Amino acid sequence: DAKTTQPNSMESNEEEPVHLPCNHSTISGTDYIHWYRQLPSQGPEYVIHGLTSNVNNRMASLAIAEDRKSSTLILHRATLRDAAVYYCILQQGSQGNLIFGKGTKLSVKP
Amino acid sequence: DAGVIQSPRHEVTEMGQEVTLRCKPISGHDYLFWYRQTMMRGLELLIYFNNNVPIDDSGMPEDRFSAKMPNASFSTLKIQPSEPRDSAVYFCASRKLPSYEQYFGPGTRLTVT
Repeated sequence: DAKTTQPNSMESNEEEPVHLPCNHSTISGTDYIHWYRQLPSQGPEYVIHGLTSNVNNRMASLAIAEDRKSSTLILHRATLRDAAVYYCILQQGSQGNLIFGKGTKLSVKP
Repeated sequence: DAGVIQSPRHEVTEMGQEVTLRCKPISGHDYLFWYRQTMMRGLELLIYFNNNVPIDDSGMPEDRFSAKMPNASFSTLKIQPSEPRDSAVYFCASRKLPSYEQYFGPGTRLTVT
């Protein structure tokens, strides 16, 4: 399974943008890039996914490098509720499994 | 919709006892996944079903673990006999094609003493 590399932790201030990086240098052409987050004491929650083009939804934006070897999850205005572990995951094809890594623990300061 | 429902939310049992975890997926979803999360190993996929049929159980740690899905609205994960190293949070998730999104339940925190 293709692997991803994320920083262990990041800090942000409330109401500022946050850029969460992810490296996936061994990504294949059919791998989708998914982001999930896990709030304390809860199950993981879908955030966003993409294949080649940048994506936007109500929660976040996903910027994918042209060579697809890295991507960045962008939270436009961090809130205290965004404090969570963020997982960057590669999915093989449209029906492959999600293989979770250790993720990035995001702390948000008021 | 109520989301994915798991029961019990907490389970404490003694080593050697049988443990059964339950999951009700979101109505109409055709995939169901069982995960286990520990501090040491993170979130691991144990098994998943498509239309009630087990597709990949390569993540099931050993024969003490078994999972069934008798119908589209119910699945169980059974551990018999349980051991202290099985202590973890067990999550169930479901998905409906063609959506890519998996919806996770709140988890069952299992403690084996």
